[in-house]
Amino acid sequence: KAGVTQTPRYLIKTRGQQVTLSCSPISGHRSVSWYQQTPGQGLQFLFEYFSETQRNKGNFPGRFSGRQFSNSRSEMNVSTLELGDSALYLCASSPGTPNSGEKLFFGSGTQLSVL
Amino acid sequence: EDQVTQSPEALRLQEGESSSLNCSYTVSGLRGLFWYRQDPGKGPEFLFTLYSAGEEKEKERLKATLTKKESFLHITAPKPEDSATYLCAVEPGGYQKVTFGTGTKLQVIP
Repeated sequence: KAGVTQTPRYLIKTRGQQVTLSCSPISGHRSVSWYQQTPGQGLQFLFEYFSETQRNKGNFPGRFSGRQFSNSRSEMNVSTLELGDSALYLCASSPGTPNSGEKLFFGSGTQLSVL
Repeated sequence: EDQVTQSPEALRLQEGESSSLNCSYTVSGLRGLFWYRQDPGKGPEFLFTLYSAGEEKEKERLKATLTKKESFLHITAPKPEDSATYLCAVEPGGYQKVTFGTGTKLQVIP
């Protein structure tokens, strides 16, 4: 069974640009969540989706948005990039509903560098 | 707000030298406490879930325990391949987000 797939693996952008990251969950998994990981802050929760609906959102500005499609694939978008957005963006999936105490399956992440 | 604090930030052990990693947490109603392992350039990989105080789980050289305020990850006779960053996370009750600690970076020297 294929794991969680994130594309692209690496991305370099300049300030002010926007970026879209993609995540394909494990087949059959319906919940997808996104995290930002930086050396100083660790993993910070961005948002979580289930059945194409955002079920939870972290404390990030409105420049960060996401969506989930009917096949459970998810995308996140960051507009008007800032230098501080440089980070590893991780996607995770789980089989059931959010907040059900299930473990998360993570992808390898997208490393975003903003110059 | 839920908080997770991991200590130490970094730990260097000789091969075979047992030790423990700590995860202290404050959460409004614990649904589950998770331990993950993360290797450089990869996403976290699940190790254990603990649901209630007193619970223990083991896997090879790792053993996780849980009290009402903290969890320990005990590493017995570690090997160099155990070198990684170990992350602790808590999921509260209700419809609240999972909160991760900043991790303990473990290095095991041959």
